[in-house]
Amino acid sequence: DVKVTQSSRYLVKRTGEKVFLECVQDMDHENMFWYRQDPGLGLRLIYFSYDVKMKEKGDIPEGYSVSREKKERFSLILESASTNQTSMYLCASSTTGQSNEQFFGPGTRLTVL
Amino acid sequence: DAKTTQPNSMESNEEEPVHLPCNHSTISGTDYIHWYRQLPSQGPEYVIHGLTSNVNNRMASLAIAEDRKSSTLILHRATLRDAAVYYCILRESGNTPLVFGKGTRLSVIA
Repeated sequence: DVKVTQSSRYLVKRTGEKVFLECVQDMDHENMFWYRQDPGLGLRLIYFSYDVKMKEKGDIPEGYSVSREKKERFSLILESASTNQTSMYLCASSTTGQSNEQFFGPGTRLTVL
Repeated sequence: DAKTTQPNSMESNEEEPVHLPCNHSTISGTDYIHWYRQLPSQGPEYVIHGLTSNVNNRMASLAIAEDRKSSTLILHRATLRDAAVYYCILRESGNTPLVFGKGTRLSVIA
């Protein structure tokens, strides 16, 4: 069974903290993605990566960075968490190709106090 | 990005067929039509995709208009478990990420 796992389902952090959200996939996929989902705004793409050590900005990269040191792992970093980063964060992975599906993890609900 | 238009919400009775429409009048010849759904408290999951011909799989059928400007996702017998937000997405060339719109919230009534 293919799997994308995220390190936490729920996370509570304080304003100004550095936050790491981890995502691991076991399907040997080249591509990995980070989205956030907010009520009324839907899913928005933060960053994505086509290969190890490569990264591309999505639609809303401000306030975030990413790291992909190994093919199976894609980390989202909030350098200094703010309350407006309270959200559901979803990781996904896929193989290369226009028709290939994206597999999503269960999501991490992050609350920044 | 190519755009799609879907109704905000739809309702269906359990065990009846459901037809979820999607308009994509600006679709280009190489865009694939993808459908995903998101069940409550879960990440999105793939449902089906197609290019020109109608497609069937164990979850649903996808009917694509001859001019490709619209498509319809068909759930043959809705169950309570099918209550979700359904997203119609055009996948552009190469490796572009999925771009999600607001989708259609499907409610299934027992």
